[in-house]
Amino acid sequence: AQSVTQLGSHVSVSEGALVLLRCNYSSSVPPYLFWYVQYPNQGLQLLLKYTTGATLVKGINGFEAEFKKSETSFHLTKPSAHMSDAAEYFCAVSESSLGGYQKVTFGTGTKLQVIP
Amino acid sequence: NAGVTQTPKFRVLKTGQSMTLLCAQDMNHEYMYWYRQDPGMGLRLIHYSVGEGTTAKGEVPDGYNVSRLKKQNFLLGLESAAPSQTSVYFCASKGKQTQETQYFGPGTRLLVL
Repeated sequence: AQSVTQLGSHVSVSEGALVLLRCNYSSSVPPYLFWYVQYPNQGLQLLLKYTTGATLVKGINGFEAEFKKSETSFHLTKPSAHMSDAAEYFCAVSESSLGGYQKVTFGTGTKLQVIP
Repeated sequence: NAGVTQTPKFRVLKTGQSMTLLCAQDMNHEYMYWYRQDPGMGLRLIHYSVGEGTTAKGEVPDGYNVSRLKKQNFLLGLESAAPSQTSVYFCASKGKQTQETQYFGPGTRLLVL
């Protein structure tokens, strides 16, 4: 069974500092990996995703993530935090299961606070 | 192209009342999902549908029913609301391929008194 672990439910960084949000997954098959962002009182929207090919994936708003199979990780980074990055971030894994249903499992989320 | 829309945006119910949440998508997606989001628990899948006329249970289906009579719509029903169903409900849709992105609606905030 697949699972997603996000280390740290709350992360605080100073404006201009590196953002690192951690995500580890378990999956019985090669997974498809996603990062979503949720701004206050809004739905989730895609930041970036890994399907196949290059393991370093670039997304919107300067974020990127690297798929490391050996570490079963898909950590999200941004070199320099901006106040507008304050939001909740969700890591997710998608895989096909028996019967063709595509199961999507979300982590419990990490709230990012950016301090001026 | 509105994407995924949800109605209503906010609702207050008394215990025992019923209501239906409507989700609509205009992207011709096969898959549709209902999640609930509670603090510290992430998103939990209530029910999902892999196509018109089909529905299936997710992780937390008790107390909810769903219907997918039309491909573009996915309804979530609460027959007898309970305070434990106070939550934010999100609908999502995606295409057939495993690697496709889920698109989320803006959410419905439900308060059950």
